[in-house]
Amino acid sequence: DGGITQSPKYLFRKEGQNVTLSCEQNLNHDAMYWYRQDPGQGLRLIYYSQIVNDFQKGDIAEGYSVSREKKESFPLTVTSAQKNPTAFYLCASSTTGRTSGRGNIQYFGAGTRLSVL
Amino acid sequence: QQPVQSPQAVILREGEDAVINCSSSKALYSVHWYRQKHGEAPVFLMILLKGGEQKGHEKISASFNEKKQQSSLYLTASQLSYSGTYFCGTEHRAGGTSYGKLTFGQGTILTVHP
Repeated sequence: DGGITQSPKYLFRKEGQNVTLSCEQNLNHDAMYWYRQDPGQGLRLIYYSQIVNDFQKGDIAEGYSVSREKKESFPLTVTSAQKNPTAFYLCASSTTGRTSGRGNIQYFGAGTRLSVL
Repeated sequence: QQPVQSPQAVILREGEDAVINCSSSKALYSVHWYRQKHGEAPVFLMILLKGGEQKGHEKISASFNEKKQQSSLYLTASQLSYSGTYFCGTEHRAGGTSYGKLTFGQGTILTVHP
């Protein structure tokens, strides 16, 4: 059963603590993405990766870090430098075919809700 | 630059129709439409590629006007299950690292009442 798995579903962060959100996919997609969603807002891109061992900053990368050591996995670390981390975090994956006639559809995981203690 | 969606919110009675618009200030390669229920992940509805095509999915269809850099989502004979927030995501293909990368609008809240 192919899909994207995010864990944990809920996460609490203490002051000054780094926390890591997990994202795993078995869709054989090359590209993976992390988004942040605040209440009543759209999705803002944090980081994305189109191939293993490479990733690019999105629109709001400050205070976050990622790694892409395996095709299936794209963990996101929310560092202590992120002063307002409370949000709903969504991971997505897609193909990256430049000549794909069907386009590169992004599929989302169920999300992680991060709160500050 | 974030695409602009309009309207911000729509309230319908079951069976009524609605149109949601998505406009971009940059040339579009594709437009993706998603629906998100409260507290859940966005669910893909449809994708429209450069070429001005119109696509349909049950009673939900969409158009893509490449010249105007706009897309519209049409919901006909709405059902209670259509309630949620609708997002458009735009792909611009400006360079080597932009393939598949989407920029999302702020969302349109659709509420369908019995």
